[in-house]
Amino acid sequence: GAVVSQHPSRVICKSGTSVKIECRSLDFQATTMFWYRQFPKQSLMLMATSNEGSKATYEQGVEKDKFLINHASLTLSTLTVTSAHPEDSSFYICSARDINEQFFGPGTRLTVL
Amino acid sequence: DAKTTQPPSMDCAEGRAANLPCNHSTISGNEYVYWYRQIHSQGPQYIIHGLKNNETNEMASLIITEDRKSSTLILPHATLRDTAVYYCIVRGDNYGQNFVFGPGTRLSVLP
Repeated sequence: GAVVSQHPSRVICKSGTSVKIECRSLDFQATTMFWYRQFPKQSLMLMATSNEGSKATYEQGVEKDKFLINHASLTLSTLTVTSAHPEDSSFYICSARDINEQFFGPGTRLTVL
Repeated sequence: DAKTTQPPSMDCAEGRAANLPCNHSTISGNEYVYWYRQIHSQGPQYIIHGLKNNETNEMASLIITEDRKSSTLILPHATLRDTAVYYCIVRGDNYGQNFVFGPGTRLSVLP
């Protein structure tokens, strides 16, 4: 099946710094990509929907100026967590959809010290 | 909000069939039933999906009731590696629609 990759898989940063997470669809073109966040022992929560070449649509309560999403090509979307704080520590998962199916990346664990 | 309800947890003996129920009483005519699972600290993995008819693939079987208000995911011979959180999700076939995850069922396969 189609594969979605994320980089890095794990990142630790200091409070106040910015972190970029990449999401790539490896063998298909994804017009739409989704970004989810998952806190410990909780389910995945959608943060934003990203369409190639246009601005992302953010879910209620998600700060668009803090979580910058760029979907510059059909195979790459990036999420930048700006001025990260310890409460941003979470498991970030991207998802990409081709014509028929939606595939999820392996996730990126962000720890903000 | 998620449109499905699932038991929070289930146990299953290794080698036996695991039957995971899901209620989706408000499902619309164009909405599919999807099942994903998430092993600890990994991304969700697709298992199976269906609209009306029962479906089977190499991983599992999906049984959908005739009124489509509930379904059951069957893992025919559960192994320890099937221990995971299983999510039942309903979603329409609109291209831009996303998956709304509920809390899922935590399946523990016991030796």
